[in-house]
Amino acid sequence: DTEVTQTPKHLVMGMTNKKSLKCEQHMGHRAMYWYKQKAKKPPELMFVYSYEKLSINESVPSRFSPECPNSSLLNLHLHALQPEDSALYLCASSFDRQRGSYNEQFFGPGTRLTVL
Amino acid sequence: DAKTTQPTSMDCAEGRAANLPCNHSTISGNEYVYWYRQIHSQGPQYIIHGLKNNETNEMASLIITEDRKSSTLILPHATLRDTAVYYCIAYVLWAGNQFYFGTGTSLTVIP
Repeated sequence: DTEVTQTPKHLVMGMTNKKSLKCEQHMGHRAMYWYKQKAKKPPELMFVYSYEKLSINESVPSRFSPECPNSSLLNLHLHALQPEDSALYLCASSFDRQRGSYNEQFFGPGTRLTVL
Repeated sequence: DAKTTQPTSMDCAEGRAANLPCNHSTISGNEYVYWYRQIHSQGPQYIIHGLKNNETNEMASLIITEDRKSSTLILPHATLRDTAVYYCIAYVLWAGNQFYFGTGTSLTVIP
C-alpha cells in the first residue's frame, strides 16, 4: 500500500464549528506533515511530526491543532476558523529524516475546506 | 534552504520533450534538488531527485549543471496527462523534513 488517504474530501464549516481532518498511511513512514495550499499558490508547510512527536510548527495559529495518535494516523483539529483559512489541506508522509536520500514525501489528495 | 526560481509557465507540443528549468544559485553542498508535480486539485506527486549527478527514472530525467546552480527536468515525450504545475525544491537532508515549495512552472502540453 503506497497511498496516503485523507478524509473528508470536502468540508464546509462555520466559524464557530469544531471539525477534524484525518490522514492515514500504512507505508511504515515515521514522518508526517500538514500543508496548506491556497488557490494558485504552492503548498505551505504547517506542521511536521517525526516519530509521533511534533518537530516543526511553522507559526501556525492555535485554531489549528495537530495530533498524531500513532505512526499511521495524523489529525488536524479545527476550531474557530476564519474565512481566509479556506484552502486545500494536504497531508504527506515520508520514511524519516535519517533515511538518507530516499526520503521523498508521499502526498494525499487533500481536503478542500471552505469556512463560511 | 536555497531559494529556487522557475518560469511561471511553459507550453510543450504533445510528443515532444518538455524541458523545465530551475535556478538554485544559492544551493549548498548538502542540498538535494527534488522535483514534484501537481495535477489540478490533486496532491503533489514525486518525480525525481538528485544531488550532483544526472538522474533518470521511468518518469523523467534530471540534468544538474556542474556548478549545481541550476537544473533541468526533462519529460522525454510529453503527453496531455503531463499538464501540471512542476515544483523544483532544494532540500537539505538531515536538517529536518521540511519542503519549501517554490512558485512552480505551469506546464501545458498542447495537442
